[in-house]
Amino acid sequence: AQSVTQLDSHVSVSEGTPVLLRCNYSSSYSPSLFWYVQHPNKGLQLLLKYTSAATLVKGINGFEAEFKKSETSFHLTKPSAHMSDAAEYFCVVRRDSNYQLIWGAGTKLIIKP
Amino acid sequence: DAGVIQSPRHEVTEMGQEVTLRCKPISGHNSLFWYRQTMMRGLELLIYFNNNVPIDDSGMPEDRFSAKMPNASFSTLKIQPSEPRDSAVYFCASTPQEGETQYFGPGTRLLVL
Repeated sequence: AQSVTQLDSHVSVSEGTPVLLRCNYSSSYSPSLFWYVQHPNKGLQLLLKYTSAATLVKGINGFEAEFKKSETSFHLTKPSAHMSDAAEYFCVVRRDSNYQLIWGAGTKLIIKP
Repeated sequence: DAGVIQSPRHEVTEMGQEVTLRCKPISGHNSLFWYRQTMMRGLELLIYFNNNVPIDDSGMPEDRFSAKMPNASFSTLKIQPSEPRDSAVYFCASTPQEGETQYFGPGTRLLVL
């Protein structure tokens, strides 16, 4: 069965410093993985997705994530944080075959000026 | 491109009243999802439609909840009677086909007093 674990409930970084949001998954085969972002009182926006093509996936707003099968990880990174990046980030794995998404608990990213 | 449209964006009602939430998926998308988001339980899938047919309603909490999709461009989620524990943000999402990336609407924030 698939599952997804976001290792940090909160991450705090200073503006201009790198961002790392960690996600581990479990799956019996090559999964489809996503990162979604939710700004305060807003909907969920797709940041990027991995679907078994390139292991390094580039998304919007300068974010990228690397799929590492050996580590069962799909961490989200950004070289330089901006104040507008403050939001909650969700790592998501899709069950094979179909429509069901398994959501991580979310990581709140806090940006310090 | 209009994106997924939800209405109303905010709803405040009293316990026992009927609540109807509306969703217009992205044109051409064949699959539609209703989710509920709460602090305690995170994001939960309520019901999934494919080609206007309900495929999986196992997430619908109880008989007070019902959902319809009379055509490819409109869906409703109804709660009757509403209870305070129904207070949450309700999201609608759509995909071009089953198994593809889900695109979310801005959500309806429901408060039942």
